[in-house]
Formats: sequence, structure tokens, C-alpha cells
Amino acid sequence: QKEVEQDPGPLSVPEGAIVSLNCTYSNSAFQYFMWYRQYSRKGPELLMYTYSSGNKEDGRFTAQVDKSSKYISLFIRDSQPSDSATYLCAPGGNTDKLIFGTGTRLQVFP
Amino acid sequence: SAVISQKPSRDICQRGTSLTIQCQVDSQVTMMFWYRQQPGQSLTLIATANQGSEATYESGFVIDKFPISRPNLTFSTLTVSNMSPEDSSIYLCSVNRRDTGELFFGEGSRLTVL
Repeated sequence: QKEVEQDPGPLSVPEGAIVSLNCTYSNSAFQYFMWYRQYSRKGPELLMYTYSSGNKEDGRFTAQVDKSSKYISLFIRDSQPSDSATYLCAPGGNTDKLIFGTGTRLQVFP
Repeated sequence: SAVISQKPSRDICQRGTSLTIQCQVDSQVTMMFWYRQQPGQSLTLIATANQGSEATYESGFVIDKFPISRPNLTFSTLTVSNMSPEDSSIYLCSVNRRDTGELFFGEGSRLTVL
């Protein structure tokens, strides 16, 4: 079993839709959870960071963590074509290492 | 956050040759990380580079294939040696924020081996 599982997509939605991106993980030692956004031909950029179970909101983005089921989600409200990118979940633990999911490719069409 | 510059941004190389990728950070950092992102795959950590000591390699990566230098607290190089088409990938340099674990990435170096 992979440490982090993420559906690669592509996920195609119309502009204005609510997008749900999800990951599952197997290591209960993970303590913090990040979402990265990667545009084509660019390096990943940190989008959201959460440290505990529950929700964290930042503008149109909401990160949700359920440690009991080892499930993390990223919701995007009012999706825009500029949100078209690959989204990678990345949990981490006591070490300096992050474990990345394969990424979900999102396409938002006008 | 940190500003991370990588060179070259892309290159096309012949099988059997070697290429050195440079990474420059705008602030002093203890650890620098080198990742590989193969087509359709996730980011895989190659090694962690500490200033003043040998790099620590992850399982499946060896120093002979991916020698790393870390001469000071703002600079590192990764060499991909004796390249084969399987080495075609994006190579990314990153640094972390120690208090939160956040990773910041360079733009990546896209390598194509013919």
C-alpha cells in the first residue's frame, strides 16, 4: 500500500463549480498536511497547510483533515479557469520529509 | 518564503553524458532537498543535502549516480551521471521552514535524455 493515495484525474469541471480533491494516507504518524498547486512547467507552490483535524479556510480554498479515517480534502469554491493545475497532497511527520501524492490534474473550463 | 533559482531550466542531453543542476537560495538554509518528478509521477525525494557533510540519499538513489555538492548555506548542485532515457525527468530543488515543515520549491530543471 502506498503511503499516500491520490486520484490522478483529470478532473474537468465548469467555471463556478465546487471542486473536491482528496487523498488518503496510511501512516498515522503524519502530523501536518499540505496541499501544493503546480502549474504546467512550474515548480509546486504551497497552497494550504493544516496541522490538525478539522477545516481550514483561506479565501475560496478549504482544507479538511480527518485523522481518524486518514483522509484529507481540498475544496475549491467558485472555481476559475486559473485554478487549472495539478494539486498534490503532502502529509508530513516528525522528520523533515514530506510524502507527496501523485497529484490530481484539474481542468476548469469557461 | 524563500526564493529558489535553478539552472538550467531545461536541457536535452545525450545518453552516457552527465549534467549538473545548480540551485541557489536567497537566504541561508541548513538543509536543501533534491526531488525528482518523472512524467505522470509524484515527487520523489532523491537526497537531503546538509552543508559540511555528505548528502543523505533515499532508498533507490546512490551517490555515484546522483553526486551532490553543498559548499555553503545558500547553494547546492545535483549531478545526474551517465544518463539514460529513464533519467528524463524534472529535477527540483527545495528548502524547508523548520518550524512548520513547509517546503518551498524552485522552478525545476526539465531534463530530456535522448
